[in-house]
Amino acid sequence: AQSVTQLGSHVSVSEGALVLLRCNYSSSVPPYLFWYVQYPNQGLQLLLKYTTGATLVKGINGFEAEFKKSETSFHLTKPSAHMSDAAEYFCAVSRPNQAGTALIFGKGTTLS
Amino acid sequence: EPEVTQTPSHQVTQMGQEVILRCVPISNHLYFYWYRQILGQKVEFLVSFYNNEISEKSEIFDDQFSVERPDGSNFTLKIRSTKLEDSAMYFCASSESQGGSGELFFGEGSRLTVL
Repeated sequence: AQSVTQLGSHVSVSEGALVLLRCNYSSSVPPYLFWYVQYPNQGLQLLLKYTTGATLVKGINGFEAEFKKSETSFHLTKPSAHMSDAAEYFCAVSRPNQAGTALIFGKGTTLS
Repeated sequence: EPEVTQTPSHQVTQMGQEVILRCVPISNHLYFYWYRQILGQKVEFLVSFYNNEISEKSEIFDDQFSVERPDGSNFTLKIRSTKLEDSAMYFCASSESQGGSGELFFGEGSRLTVL
């Protein structure tokens, strides 16, 4: 079974500071990994994803994440936070090469 | 840009009543999903749907829930007899067919309040 753990339900940073949101996964096979963002009263929007290839992936709004198999982690970072980054962030995992497979989400981290 | 749309955005109902939540997935997508998010909790998978049948469902998706695609464009979630604990935000999502990277596209959600 797959699962996702997001460390820290709330993260607070100053504008201009580094953003680090932590995500660890559990999967019996190398997974596909995703970060989604949810702004107030909106749906979930994809920030970035890792499927195969380069382990450092870049997403929208200056975010990036690195897949570290040895640490089973997929932490989300942004060098300089902006007020508009305040939102709920969800890490998710899915089984690879299976179209239509469900995403399993972590509990989310609120960034303020 | 294509998007998933959901109606209603907010519904208030009495316990025991039936509720239907509607979704219009992205037109060329073939896989459809329902998720729910109870206030303050994580986004939970309910069910996935492909080729007019359920392909996967979670433990949450019990006999009071049903899904259908009645007309080739809408994708509905029906809750037969609502309970207080069904109060949540319900998200519909869709994804591409084979060859996609697994990305799900989500609607803005339908907030269900059961009194």
